[in-house]
Parts: sequence; C-alpha cells; structure tokens
Amino acid sequence: NAGVTQTPKFRILKIGQSMTLQCTQDMNHNYMYWYRQDPGMGLKLIYYSVGAGITDKGEVPNGYNVSRSTTEDFPLRLELAAPSQTSVYFCASSYSVGTNQPQHFGDGTRLSIL
Amino acid sequence: GEDVEQSLFLSVREGDSSVINCTYTDSSSTYLYWYKQEPGAGLQLLTYIFSNMDMKQDQRLTVLLNKKDKHLSLRIADTQTGDSAIYFCAENCGGGATNKLIFGTGTLLAVQP
Repeated sequence: NAGVTQTPKFRILKIGQSMTLQCTQDMNHNYMYWYRQDPGMGLKLIYYSVGAGITDKGEVPNGYNVSRSTTEDFPLRLELAAPSQTSVYFCASSYSVGTNQPQHFGDGTRLSIL
Repeated sequence: GEDVEQSLFLSVREGDSSVINCTYTDSSSTYLYWYKQEPGAGLQLLTYIFSNMDMKQDQRLTVLLNKKDKHLSLRIADTQTGDSAIYFCAENCGGGATNKLIFGTGTLLAVQP
C-alpha cells in the first residue's frame, strides 16, 4: 500500500516558469489537501478538496491552482513561479471528517524558484 | 484568526522525559493532534486527543489537554535518539466540516546520547 505519493521530490524552476506538482493516493480517501512548509514554520493550507470535482481555497491560495478530476489525484499547478513560492510542498489525504480521520502525508516536494 | 504556538527547540538527554508544549486559540476544535516529522520526510501522526478528554496515554506518549487555558502538551517518556525530530501540534478548524488543520510552527527535539 503506497499511501500518498508525490512527484517530483525535488525541482528547481526559473522565475516565470510553470509546473505541476503531482499527488496521488491509493487509500480511496475523499479528502485531499495541499500544504506548504516554509523554513522554521508550520504548514499552511493552500487548497483542499472534499471529493472529485470539488475544490476550495485554504489559507494561502494565491499563485496556485488545483483540480480534482478523480478521487486518486490532486495536482497542484504553479502558473508563474515566483521566488516567494520556494518551499516544501506536502500533499495529504483523509477518508472523512466528523470522527477522527487523521491526515496521511506524502514525503513532500522541495521546490526552489531562482 | 486561528493560531497555534509552540516553542522552537528542546534538548534532552537520552533516557530523560521530554515535554513539548503547545497553545491554541480555536475553542471549537474537536480534535488536537501531534505529528512527527523526521528529516526529509512527511508528517506522521503520533497521537491525538478529543477535546472532551484531559489526558490520553499511548505507550511512551502522554498527551495532556487543558481546555480552559487552551494548552496542549506531549510527554515522551524514556526519550531515545530515534525520537529526534520536529513535532507539530495541530488543531482542526471549521467545526469538523472540512477537517482543516492549523499547524503550529513545530518544536525541534534534539536527543543527546
């Protein structure tokens, strides 16, 4: 059981370039999340999805877009990369809410914008 | 808005107990969590506590919750070098409707042999 898989693990982008961070989970979880973790900081929620076809903004959505065409996949898109988007990005998923349904995290994508 | 605060660093000797503290602001949180992050890895759920509980024990881990003071702590008994990591507390917000988590800044636990 792979859990939450993120690709790539590392990436260096030039300012203005675009890229898609991939996230897939094989646990049939309804809820998926994207966070960014800046040095010495906690995780900030970028976007989340409560099911296929449904996405919503988190705390820091500016500069990002997401889609959720399937239950398994939740890609994060950067259209015009900026140095402020240098961070470690974590994808997470959970089955449900209401009772304790912990979020399962991927290993992260380390992104540098130069 | 919601805010979760932690001290940044804790150093202990192997075999001692570690206590990591956290304060939060959202009194409507139903669950509070402790996550562990090892270098280069994602976050791993360690334990959690429901908001109507004062204490939860899970092997070497003890979670204490003071809801009046909005204070959460994680005690690790007999701390080992393998416990060296960053520990994040998190509270769920949104009344449980979305399972959105607000994370603290993390506490780096360094265990000296």
